[in-house]
Amino acid sequence: AQSVTQLDSHVSVSEGTPVLLRCNYSSSYSPSLFWYVQHPNKGLQLLLKYTSAATLVKGINGFEAEFKKSETSFHLTKPSAHMSDAAEYFCVVSEGREKLTFGTGTRLTIIP
Amino acid sequence: DTGVSQDPRHKITKRGQNVTFRCDPISEHNRLYWYRQTLGQGPEFLTYFQNEAQLEKSRLLSDRFSAERPKGSFSTLEIQRTEQGDSAMYLCASSLLPGATGGSLINTEAFFGQGTRLTVV
Repeated sequence: AQSVTQLDSHVSVSEGTPVLLRCNYSSSYSPSLFWYVQHPNKGLQLLLKYTSAATLVKGINGFEAEFKKSETSFHLTKPSAHMSDAAEYFCVVSEGREKLTFGTGTRLTIIP
Repeated sequence: DTGVSQDPRHKITKRGQNVTFRCDPISEHNRLYWYRQTLGQGPEFLTYFQNEAQLEKSRLLSDRFSAERPKGSFSTLEIQRTEQGDSAMYLCASSLLPGATGGSLINTEAFFGQGTRLTVV
């Protein structure tokens, strides 16, 4: 069965410093992995996706994630945080034809 | 706008009443998902369709919930005899079919609507 674990429910960083949001997955097969972002009172937006091509995936707004099969991880990073990055971030897994399974989310706070 | 649209955006209903929500997916998308999200939680899977066929329904979903997707286009989610615990944001998403890459099935990203916020009083 597929599942994801987001290791931090809340992350705070200062503006201009790096961001790291951690995600571990469990999957019996080669999974597809996604990161979605949800700003307050907004819909879910896709940040980036991994679908068995390059293990380092670049997304929108300067975010990227690296698929590490040996560690079953798909952590999201950004070199320099911006105030507009404050939002809820969800790691999502899907294997084969299966539905998308969401993690519980990480709330990112940016300190001015 | 060619994104996923949901109607209504907000619904307030009295406990015990029935409610129905509608979702219009992106036109060429075969898959349609329904999720439920409560405050501070990630989206919880309810059910999904591939064209008009309902492929899976969450075991957590009671018999008061039913979803349809006639003709494989728009979908409706009905909740009968609403309870206060049904208060949540109901999200609809659509996607293309999984594609084959290197012998593996690769799922495609889902595009989400703005959601319908249900409040049961």
